[in-house]
Amino acid sequence: EPEVTQTPSHQVTQMGQEVILRCVPISNHLYFYWYRQILGQKVEFLVSFYNNEISEKSEIFDDQFSVERPDGSNFTLKIRSTKLEDSAMYFCASRTGLAGGSETQYFGPGTRLLVL
Amino acid sequence: GENVEQHPSTLSVQEGDSAVIKCTYSDSASNYFPWYKQELGKRPQLIIDIRSNVGEKKDQRIAVTLNKTAKHFSLHITETQPEDSAVYFCAAPNAGGTSYGKLTFGQGTILTVHP
Repeated sequence: EPEVTQTPSHQVTQMGQEVILRCVPISNHLYFYWYRQILGQKVEFLVSFYNNEISEKSEIFDDQFSVERPDGSNFTLKIRSTKLEDSAMYFCASRTGLAGGSETQYFGPGTRLLVL
Repeated sequence: GENVEQHPSTLSVQEGDSAVIKCTYSDSASNYFPWYKQELGKRPQLIIDIRSNVGEKKDQRIAVTLNKTAKHFSLHITETQPEDSAVYFCAAPNAGGTSYGKLTFGQGTILTVHP
């Protein structure tokens, strides 16, 4: 069964550094998402992406964040200047957008980001 | 936007007992309600979902019920087993014409099944 994949699984960075988190959504999916989960807390929406543009973003997704689909398979989240409070697990998710079961979002295994 | 409340935050049961987790949502236009199971350090895995045109859905030991009038939905696990121990999240999507399916999650329930 196809799965969403993410790299790296863990990333440690210094405050102020840029990080890029990578995701490969399921191949025929049309909608892509980034969520984050601070340790011990609930999953929070960051941004959704459809038709090569951001369709919705949360208040967390400020100017330090950007997303890109550089080719037909990858979907990336960039944090330009990391802060301590960016430490979290970042999940990528995707869904088909087609009729019949199109709402189901499939999550990747996550990237644990630690900002020191 | 959607607001999802989930209770209880922790639930401890003996193996073989039933477990029930409840969620309420605020957006009456929401029409899809998934439940995710998350084991420690792992991704959220969809275990069951329900659409608003039905009131109940069952899959072996897991069932979900939906009350659209009261805007709440519940997860029922029967004959619990130790491997059911995990964090369970309910979620609801943003509805409306401009929605792209963003999920709002509940706060999570830590379920512990004691052998």
